[in-house]
Amino acid sequence: AQSVAQPEDQVNVAEGNPLTVKCTYSVSGNPYLFWYVQYPNRGLQFLLKYITGDNLVKGSYGFEAEFNKSQTSFHLKKPSALVSDSALYFCAVRDGVTGGGNKLTFGTGTQLKVEL
Amino acid sequence: NAGVTQTPKFQVLKTGQSMTLQCAQDMNHNSMYWYRQDPGMGLRLIYYSASEGTTDKGEVPNGYNVSRLNKREFSLRLESAAPSQTSVYFCASSPIPQPQHFGDGTRLSIL
Repeated sequence: AQSVAQPEDQVNVAEGNPLTVKCTYSVSGNPYLFWYVQYPNRGLQFLLKYITGDNLVKGSYGFEAEFNKSQTSFHLKKPSALVSDSALYFCAVRDGVTGGGNKLTFGTGTQLKVEL
Repeated sequence: NAGVTQTPKFQVLKTGQSMTLQCAQDMNHNSMYWYRQDPGMGLRLIYYSASEGTTDKGEVPNGYNVSRLNKREFSLRLESAAPSQTSVYFCASSPIPQPQHFGDGTRLSIL
């Protein structure tokens, strides 16, 4: 079975500082990995994905994530945080060999708070 | 672009009442999904439809039924609502293996 862990319920960072939101995963086979962001009273919005290729993936709004196969991690990063980045972030994984329509397993979410 | 549209946005039910949540997508995606979101638990898959004409159970299907009416529409039905089904419900759609696209949710309270 596939699973995702987001070890931090909340991350606080000062505006202009780098941010990292952590994610580790467990799948059989090669993983498909995703990051989503959720603003209050909205649905999840796709940020970036890793399926294959370069371990450093760049996505929307200046976010990037690094795939580390040996550590089974896919941490979300941004060099300089903005107050507007404050939101709930979800990591998700799909088993690359599983059929059945692209089912994802989501982590429990990390609340990011960026302060002035 | 409308994307994924969910109706209604809010609903309050009494225990034992029935209700259908509607979802429609205009992106010509094959796959559609229903999730529930509860505090501290992330999103949990209720049912999904890999393609028109097929539906399958997800992680938490008990108390729910679904209908894939056509390629665009995927509805979720609560036959006899229970307080434990108070949640925010999200519909999503996707091509394969590209990312899922989400609606803005239905906030459901069951008294």
